[in-house]
Amino acid sequence: SQTIHQWPATLVQPVGSPLSLECTVEGTSNPNLYWYRQAAGRGLQLLFYSVGIGQISSEVPQNLSASRPQDRQFILSSKKLLLSDSGFYLCACLGQGGAHTQYFGPGTRLTVL
Amino acid sequence: AQSVSQHNHHVILSEAASLELGCNYSYGGTVNLFWYVQYPGQHLQLLLKYFSGDPLVKGIKGFEAEFIKSKFSFNLRKPSVQWSDTAEYFCAVNAGGGADGLTFGKGTHLIIQP
Repeated sequence: SQTIHQWPATLVQPVGSPLSLECTVEGTSNPNLYWYRQAAGRGLQLLFYSVGIGQISSEVPQNLSASRPQDRQFILSSKKLLLSDSGFYLCACLGQGGAHTQYFGPGTRLTVL
Repeated sequence: AQSVSQHNHHVILSEAASLELGCNYSYGGTVNLFWYVQYPGQHLQLLLKYFSGDPLVKGIKGFEAEFIKSKFSFNLRKPSVQWSDTAEYFCAVNAGGGADGLTFGKGTHLIIQP
């Protein structure tokens, strides 16, 4: 089964600074990958998903962008962070074999000050 | 676009009490339905899911959920909760395709008192 790694686990950044969060997946190939954000008092919101290298779909217009430079690597970025970017960022992978089930990584806690 | 509503944001129960967490979704077509759980300090993990067939689905740790299409609901139940069930519970829907992302409810924070 797949294992999802996220780095870093926690991050504190000043407003206006850049951001790069990394997600890597083991145990599967050509997975569908997803970035979600959970802001305080809100549910998980889908930000981006990718069905393959270089293929990114954006669900919510915002200050963030995503890239998929390798099959099992998914990166979330920002050129200039806003206070509203604070939250818990989760990477997910779609299960193989038509299971339609997403499996989640441990997440990154981002605080923008 | 689909949406998910979880009616209870905070629930406090005593051990051995019965649990029912409400979840309603809005989408007119075929949906896949999920309940995820996040225990303190742990990853978000799948509790149970419904794709088709028997609308009463059973998941891990004694949880079950019933899909009622006419009510657009997928409520989570457990007949007797334990202290270890303290967690955040999320209902989610995927509109048929599978490759698209999940739409989540805002979650229910469940606290079980010993």
